[in-house]
Amino acid sequence: GDQVEQSPSALSLHEGTGSALRCNFTTTMRAVQWFQQNSRGSLINLFYLASGTKENGRLKSTFNSKESYSTLHIRDAQLEDSGTYFCAAEGAGYQNFYFGKGTSLTVIP
Amino acid sequence: GALVYQYPRRTICKSGTSMRMECQAVGFQATSVAWYRQSPQKTFELIALSTVNSAIKYEQNFTQEKFPISHPNLSFSSMTVLNAYLEDRGLYLCGARDRNTGQLYFGEGSKLTVL
Repeated sequence: GDQVEQSPSALSLHEGTGSALRCNFTTTMRAVQWFQQNSRGSLINLFYLASGTKENGRLKSTFNSKESYSTLHIRDAQLEDSGTYFCAAEGAGYQNFYFGKGTSLTVIP
Repeated sequence: GALVYQYPRRTICKSGTSMRMECQAVGFQATSVAWYRQSPQKTFELIALSTVNSAIKYEQNFTQEKFPISHPNLSFSSMTVLNAYLEDRGLYLCGARDRNTGQLYFGEGSKLTVL
């Protein structure tokens, strides 16, 4: 079965509002990385966390290895935030990163 | 900064022919390179994990005979899709892992279309 469960699969936000994306893990993960995939298919690095919380501008991410989840918070959404967001988690003892199925975010004017 | 150059960006090939793609890590040393395929439905499949000086580990449903990988040094990796058919279509992405930070950096992907 899937080791990374990402939700929601799709999200619409009005400009200026915010929400959270979440990834739950079915096994212990060592680290998590969040990406935004743009319309050209490029994966843009947002965060890499082995634990705790990181913040960058309007984005904030948390990784709780013990409780097996990670979140990505977006506040004050802008049109350019539209795209598909993926979390990828690194399994313990192995070097693979396992991807969630993505969240398609649409920011509405 | 850390970058991964991946090329070609897109290839259209006839059924039964092959496609080779290359990845170059710039600005960091890559301990490993993971090759993924993203389906048109956006799902990622891990094809193989390649670590310099170690055997390449292929995931279930992917074989060396079909997807041979070369990883000669800390900055370069290539993968070929041999005898491509319709089910091989998708966006192929290489992710290089930074030796110092552990972070993955991705190339822009090589989109394969099979006619």
